[in-house]
Amino acid sequence: DGGITQSPKYLFRKEGQNVTLSCEQNLNHDAMYWYRQDPGQGLRLIYYSQIVNDFQKGDIAEGYSVSREKKESFPLTVTSAQKNPTAFYLCASTTGTGAYEQYFGPGTRLTVT
Amino acid sequence: AQSVSQHNHHVILSEAASLELGCNYSYGGTVNLFWYVQYPGQHLQLLLKYFSGDPLVKGIKGFEAEFIKSKFSFNLRKPSVQWSDTAEYFCAVTPLNNNDMRFGAGTRLTVKP
Repeated sequence: DGGITQSPKYLFRKEGQNVTLSCEQNLNHDAMYWYRQDPGQGLRLIYYSQIVNDFQKGDIAEGYSVSREKKESFPLTVTSAQKNPTAFYLCASTTGTGAYEQYFGPGTRLTVT
Repeated sequence: AQSVSQHNHHVILSEAASLELGCNYSYGGTVNLFWYVQYPGQHLQLLLKYFSGDPLVKGIKGFEAEFIKSKFSFNLRKPSVQWSDTAEYFCAVTPLNNNDMRFGAGTRLTVKP
C-alpha cells in the first residue's frame, strides 16, 4: 500500500523540549512538505524539500527545523523556540513540478503544555 | 511569494442548493490552481486542478471550477449539494514549474439534510 505515514497521531510534550515529528513516504516522490493547520488559518507552509539534502523555508519556518537525508523521509523538529507549537501538523509529498497534486498524510496533533 | 484568499469562512446550505466558493490568488506570473477537500476525520484529497487549457475544469463528485485570469479567481461550484459534501474546502496555488504550494484559509461547508 503506497502512501504517507506520520507518527505518532497524538504527541504531548512539556514546554521547553524539542520534539521531532516523523514523515515517511513510499510513493517515490521527490518533493515533500510540512504544513501547520490551525482553525481558521488553513494550511501554512513550514518547510518544503524538492530533492534530497535540499530544503526551503516556507512562511512560518521560525522555531522549526528539518532534514532530508533520504528521499523517503522528511522529519520535522519543533524546537523550544517555537512560541505556539500546539497545532495539527500535516506532511505531504508530490512528484513532478507545479501541476502535480500533493498527497497528504494523516497528520500529527502536537500538544505542548 | 504567492498567496490565496478564500472569502467565505463558513457556508451553510440545505441539500440541493447550489454552491459557489470564492478563491482569489495573488501572483504576478503563471500559476497552477487546485481545490482540495478535507472530509471529517479524513486526509486532504484533491478535488480538481487547473494548469492549462480550458479554464472550466471538472473534478470528482460533480464539482467544477472556473479560472478567470483577469480576476485572479478560481471559484468552486456545484449545482446541487448533498449532505455528504459537508467538509472543509481549500484553494491552493503554485507558480508554474515550481513546487511551492500555498493554501487559503479554507471554507467550512455544512449541508443540512
